[in-house]
Amino acid sequence: QKEVEQDPGPLSVPEGAIVSLNCTYSNSAFQYFMWYRQYSRKGPELLMYTYSSGNKEDGRFTAQVDKSSKYISLFIRDSQPSDSATYLCAMSGDTGGFKTIFGAGTRLFVKA
Amino acid sequence: DAGVTQSPTHLIKTRGQHVTLRCSPISGHKSVSWYQQVLGQGPQFIFQYYEKEERGRGNFPDRFSARQFPNYSSELNVNALLLGDSALYLCASSLTLMSGGRTNEKLFFGSGTQLSVL
Repeated sequence: QKEVEQDPGPLSVPEGAIVSLNCTYSNSAFQYFMWYRQYSRKGPELLMYTYSSGNKEDGRFTAQVDKSSKYISLFIRDSQPSDSATYLCAMSGDTGGFKTIFGAGTRLFVKA
Repeated sequence: DAGVTQSPTHLIKTRGQHVTLRCSPISGHKSVSWYQQVLGQGPQFIFQYYEKEERGRGNFPDRFSARQFPNYSSELNVNALLLGDSALYLCASSLTLMSGGRTNEKLFFGSGTQLSVL
């Protein structure tokens, strides 16, 4: 079993839809939870960075962490075609940037 | 400000050869990490260097080595290339900050070097 499980998709939604992306994990030592966006032929870009359980909102993006269920989510409101990319969940037990474990990524397509 | 820069962007090698990949971090960042991303998978941690010292190593064979220079730039070396080494190699730089009694470290990735081993 992988430490981090993420549905690879692809996920296709119409413009303006609310998108829900999820990951589960098995290592209870993870304390930092991140979401990255990766466009084709580019490196991952940090979207959300959270510590421990709870919610964090940044513009159209909301990250949720439920450590008791070992489950994290990213919600995208009012999705745009420019949101079409691969979304990677990531976790770390140390500082958030050390030995970070990534999910396989979910490919998202937002149709105009 | 310039982001993380990596060179070359693409590279084609044959089995058994060696390769050197280079990375320049964001100005002011003292830590550099290397990740391997195979097509269809998430990045996998290879190394992290901080202040020229190896801070950690992932589950990769000894054919993989790295170093960090006084200007904080870094090189990743891979010897005796195998077909399975074909991947996108990503470099990330980071800055460690203390906030609320804990250490926060955010990774900033370059665009990577696409290595193809034939």
